[in-house]
Amino acid sequence: DTEVTQTPKHLVMGMTNKKSLKCEQHMGHRAMYWYKQKAKKPPELMFVYSYEKLSINESVPSRFSPECPNSSLLNLHLHALQPEDSALYLCASSQANSGEQYFGPGTRLTVT
Amino acid sequence: EDKVVQSPLSLVVHEGDTVTLNCSYEVTNFRSLLWYKQEKKAPTFLFMLTSSGIEKKSGRLSSILDKKELFSILNITATQTGDSAVYLCVQTGANNLFFGTGTRLTVIP
Repeated sequence: DTEVTQTPKHLVMGMTNKKSLKCEQHMGHRAMYWYKQKAKKPPELMFVYSYEKLSINESVPSRFSPECPNSSLLNLHLHALQPEDSALYLCASSQANSGEQYFGPGTRLTVT
Repeated sequence: EDKVVQSPLSLVVHEGDTVTLNCSYEVTNFRSLLWYKQEKKAPTFLFMLTSSGIEKKSGRLSSILDKKELFSILNITATQTGDSAVYLCVQTGANNLFFGTGTRLTVIP
């Protein structure tokens, strides 16, 4: 299984809502990543988990809260988002935190 | 200041042409240099380069790393319309990684 899955595929939420994005991989990878990608821009790294511990937090606002319940799962909890947070949110995983990353299909988030 | 710089930013070629995409990076904590292809959805992995001067090849695509001059190139020969995409270069370090801005390649029939 060389797949990273993400749910949901699309999400529309209001600025007062609380929602979560989910990511799962069963490749035995020990590093997992959240990225945010705006149209026509490269992905921007948000968080890196290495061996289920947060190793990189790229100064992301606290309205984004990551969680790694186990080595296969990665969540991104969303609360009080702004319209400018609308973007494609990509999850990725890798064997180590500098190896090739496998990306999930992304969640297209729209904040209204 | 961008740590990973790709050039050109965009490129339009005709089918059958050969293209060379460039990526320059910084040396700080270098571990690997990755190339990805992104069409409409998530990036797909092409190559990982860690050693200088060793060419990696996959079909019509090839890539090489120069650790002395701090750059990598991605070559695509006999381009096809299906090669149209954004090509991303990523430098990884001990505790970070940096994406380049990407090169948007358009292959015209």
